[in-house]
Amino acid sequence: GENVEQHPSTLSVQEGDSAVIKCTYSDSASNYFPWYKQELGKGPQLIIDIRSNVGEKKDQRIAVTLNKTAKHFSLHITETQPEDSAVYFCAALSSGNTPLVFGKGTRLSVIA
Amino acid sequence: DAGITQSPRHKVTETGTPVTLRCHQTENHRYMYWYRQDPGHGLRLIHYSYGVKDTDKGEVSDGYSVSRSKTEDFLLTLESATSSQTSVYFCAISDGQGLEAFFGQGTRLTVV
Repeated sequence: GENVEQHPSTLSVQEGDSAVIKCTYSDSASNYFPWYKQELGKGPQLIIDIRSNVGEKKDQRIAVTLNKTAKHFSLHITETQPEDSAVYFCAALSSGNTPLVFGKGTRLSVIA
Repeated sequence: DAGITQSPRHKVTETGTPVTLRCHQTENHRYMYWYRQDPGHGLRLIHYSYGVKDTDKGEVSDGYSVSRSKTEDFLLTLESATSSQTSVYFCAISDGQGLEAFFGQGTRLTVV
């Protein structure tokens, strides 16, 4: 089955700097890659996703890139703000009826 | 916010007792999922359902059972709770694989 590795597990950046979180996946047939943000005491919430027919997607300060050949995808947050502090999860969906497989998460701290 | 409610939100129970967690949705989504979240392990799938009375096991299903007798309700049962099942449990719903998954607020379960 699919296996998703996520790095780093913790990340601290200064406010205004950029943050990058990277994930690798094992199943070359995976075709959907969402990113979730989890704030303290809440459930994860989708912030951006990308499908395998696209190499990059942007939404204001966040972007996701996908390299199918290398089987990795990354989340980029620019001009970080304190409210970006949270746990971020990447995930991958294999073809067929199998559910999303999540990475272990990255705790991002934005220091004002 | 998606109409998804978990109950109870917090529970403390004794080892060996049965426990049932409830997930209720008002979105009429086909898929429902139960995950557990533990430090260092991220989100791990316990069981999921792809329709009424249609369920399947996830990565960490041992010691858990589920039932879905109505579209809107997905129950997770710990037949005989153990300390290793102390965790935060999240329910999620989606209208299809490869579509956004919406998470509940979580249930913090402590087994003493």
